[in-house]
Amino acid sequence: KAGVTQTPRYLIKTRGQQVTLSCSPISGHRSVSWYQQTPGQGLQFLFEYFSETQRNKGNFPGRFSGRQFSNSRSEMNVSTLELGDSALYLCASSLGAGTGGEQYFGPGTRLTVT
Amino acid sequence: AQSVTQLGSHVSVSEGALVLLRCNYSSSVPPYLFWYVQYPNQGLQLLLKYTTGATLVKGINGFEAEFKKSETSFHLTKPSAHMSDAAEYFCAVSEGFAGAQKLVFGQGTRLTINP
Repeated sequence: KAGVTQTPRYLIKTRGQQVTLSCSPISGHRSVSWYQQTPGQGLQFLFEYFSETQRNKGNFPGRFSGRQFSNSRSEMNVSTLELGDSALYLCASSLGAGTGGEQYFGPGTRLTVT
Repeated sequence: AQSVTQLGSHVSVSEGALVLLRCNYSSSVPPYLFWYVQYPNQGLQLLLKYTTGATLVKGINGFEAEFKKSETSFHLTKPSAHMSDAAEYFCAVSEGFAGAQKLVFGQGTRLTINP
C-alpha cells in the first residue's frame, strides 16, 4: 500500500505571495492532519480534516487554511507569506475513527520564504 | 491542556549500549502516547504506541516503551544501540478518545551513536 505523498517536496516563495501544498493520504484513510515543523517551535498542529470537514484546529493565524476533497486528498494554503512561515510542513493520515490516533506521515514539503 | 516534555535535547551513546530517551506527559484525560523517529530530510515514522492495556509496549527496530501512569512517563528504551538508530526522536500525546487526531509533540531528542 502506498504511503502518504506530499507535493511539492521543496518550494521557494517570496514574502507576500501565497502557496498551496498538497497531500494524498494512504488509501482508505479519511483523516488528514497538517503540522508545521521549525527549529524554534518544533512540531505544531495546524488542523485536521475528516470527511471534508475541519474537525480540529491549532493556534495559527487565519492566513493558514486547508480543505479536503471527497477522495480524502487535502490541500493547505498559506496566504501573504511571511519569513517566519519557512518550515517543513508535514501531512499525516489516519483511518480517523476508533484507531487510537495512530497517524502516518508523509515526507513533508520544505517551504522557504525569502 | 496536554503537553509533553522530553528530557535531554541531545543524547549520545556508544554502539551496543543501552538507549534511554525520556518522555513525561501531562493530560487531563487518559492519554494515547506515541514515539516517532525522524531521519534527516524525511517525515516521521511511528515506532510504537500506547493506547490501553499492557503498559510495556514493543515497537519496531527493537525499541520498547513503558507507560507509567503514576510517574506520567513513557520512556523509550533499546537494549543495544546500532549506528542506524542515529536520528531525532519525538514523543507525542493525543487525547484518548476515538477520533481525536491532534498530536502534541515534545521538542525532540537527537540521538547520536558513537562507534
